[in-house]
Amino acid sequence: SQTIHQWPATLVQPVGSPLSLECTVEGTSNPNLYWYRQAAGRGLQLLFYSVGIGQISSEVPQNLSASRPQDRQFILSSKKLLLSDSGFYLCAWSAWDRTNYGYTFGSGTRLTVV
Amino acid sequence: AQKVTQAQTEISVVEKEDVTLDCVYETRDTTYYLFWYKQPPSGELVFLIRRNSFDEQNEISGRYSWNFQKSTSSFNFTITASQVVDSAVYFCALSEALETSYDKVIFGPGTSLSVIP
Repeated sequence: SQTIHQWPATLVQPVGSPLSLECTVEGTSNPNLYWYRQAAGRGLQLLFYSVGIGQISSEVPQNLSASRPQDRQFILSSKKLLLSDSGFYLCAWSAWDRTNYGYTFGSGTRLTVV
Repeated sequence: AQKVTQAQTEISVVEKEDVTLDCVYETRDTTYYLFWYKQPPSGELVFLIRRNSFDEQNEISGRYSWNFQKSTSSFNFTITASQVVDSAVYFCALSEALETSYDKVIFGPGTSLSVIP
């Protein structure tokens, strides 16, 4: 069965420090991968999506970047965190098999920038 | 353009009451998917249901039921005999069936449900 792993679960980082959040998927190949941010505990904002290795698209301009070095690995990064980067970050995957289509989310990373 | 509206920001009900969460969507496509997700206090998003735009049959799963009406572009979610464990934020979402491999899902703002014992 397919599973998605996301870590760390919580993170407190000072302003100006770097960031690296990792997400890996098991049990599927060539998934579409996504990073979402949920600020203020409510709405989900799509940050990045990837349809293949090395293919990254950004939905909104921001202080973050994403990379996909392997088929089932998606990394969210920042060189220098801002206070406004605080939030709940969720990784998700979907497969191009519409008979069983849907997003599956990781457990999320709660990031607090201080 | 795609849009999902959940007009109810917060709802409070007493345990065992029935509650309906509203969802209204906008899309120009004739083929699309609708979803409901639950986000309990732990934060993880839990998939509840997916509905294809060509399947207007209502669905029931235990205490949960969904009413899909294309005529009013609504996909409402009803919890019967609510329980404290139903307390969560519920998101309605829409995805258009694109020809490319990219599946963009648009989420509504969410409805926070509190079930009071």
